[in-house]
Parts: sequence; structure tokens; C-alpha cells
Amino acid sequence: QLVLTQSPSASASLGASVKLTCTLSSGHSSYAIAWHQQQPEKGPRYLMNLNNDGSHTKGDGIPDRFSGSSSGAERYLTISSLQSEDEADYYCQTWATGIQVFGGGTKLTVL
Amino acid sequence: EVQLLESGGGVVQPGGSLRLSCAASGFTFNTYAMAWVRQTPGKGLEWVSTTSTYYADSVRGRFTISRDNSKNTLYLQMSSLRAEDTAVYYCAKHSAGGTNIDYWGQGTLVTVSS
Repeated sequence: QLVLTQSPSASASLGASVKLTCTLSSGHSSYAIAWHQQQPEKGPRYLMNLNNDGSHTKGDGIPDRFSGSSSGAERYLTISSLQSEDEADYYCQTWATGIQVFGGGTKLTVL
Repeated sequence: EVQLLESGGGVVQPGGSLRLSCAASGFTFNTYAMAWVRQTPGKGLEWVSTTSTYYADSVRGRFTISRDNSKNTLYLQMSSLRAEDTAVYYCAKHSAGGTNIDYWGQGTLVTVSS
């Protein structure tokens, strides 16, 4: 079964960096994912598509502070030079024929 | 600029029906797969349906996705609604090949309550 697992919460200080993790279920380690950001009281926003080799394609207007990387079944989102507006929920998404799957989301707190 | 504008949300009684619409602009609508994704208040994102006929198990047989390419509009016909269908419903555009979602609407709230 295709499942994405994310830690429920993360925190980091203003100006620091943080690395969020999304883990693909067993047997699906080659799958690409997408990362989405949802700021409080807003709709989600697409950040990037991330392949299993770590190559990624960012959405329109996404700052260079956001980057992606991969290792095995894990997909990472790194946010550097954290700003207050980065405090949000972050979701990963993957897909197979006829199905889309979201992770449970990680709530990022900027201290 | 890609824009997705949902409408049609509201309060409906259990067992009732409702149709959501999503007006799309800023891209060639008929060449991309489109999706509905919902979010229960305070919870995560749940995929509902993707054109042309893909559905989550939780809604299959009750919800119908459709599109009118002449009007650049996506629809979601919802019937036999249950309390657990209460959520904000987002319209979303898939990237080429129908893989990841690359644009989202702002959402419309559906409340199923007597």
C-alpha cells in the first residue's frame, strides 16, 4: 500500500535551517513526490516536485531558500534562513495510476 | 497567471446533494487533469477525485467529477452526503502527465449537518 509518513511537528529558530522528512512506504522507494505548504487560514501552495535522485523542480515564485533532496525512501524539504512566514503546515504528495496520496503533514513552528 | 476559483459550498443535510464548481483560467484547461482535494477542519489533506474517473474509496459511488472544457470549469457532484464529508474542498490542477498537483484554489466549505 502506498503510504507517506511525516512527523507531526518540527521547530527551528528564526534565521536557522530546518529539514523536513517524508518517508515512502516499503516497495515504493523510487517514487517521486511533491511538497506543498499551507500557511494558516490559507489554501495549500505547491513548492516543488522531487525525484528519487534528488532532482527537483520548484513552483512559480518559490524562493531559493527552499530545496529538496532524496535518500532511499526518504524525501526531504530543507528551508534555510527561516522566516516567520515559513511557519506553516507542510505536506508531501505522491501518486500512482488512479490514486493520489498525501502525507499527514508536518506543522513547522518558527521560534 | 493560473487561477482556480471554487464555488457552491454551503450547508446541506445528511443524505442531501450539492454541486461544487471550479472556474479555471490562465492555462489551457482541456490539456490538464484536474482534481478535488478536501480538508476536514484542523486535519490534513485528503484526495477526493481526479479527472476523468478516479475516486477515493471514501467517495466512490457517491461523488462524480466532471468538466466542461468549453467553460473552463470543473465540477464535483456530491450525493448521499454524510457528516464526515464536512470539509473545505479544494480544486487543484495536475501538472503535465497527471502526476503532482501544481496549483490550488482557495477552497469552498461544505458542511453536512441537520
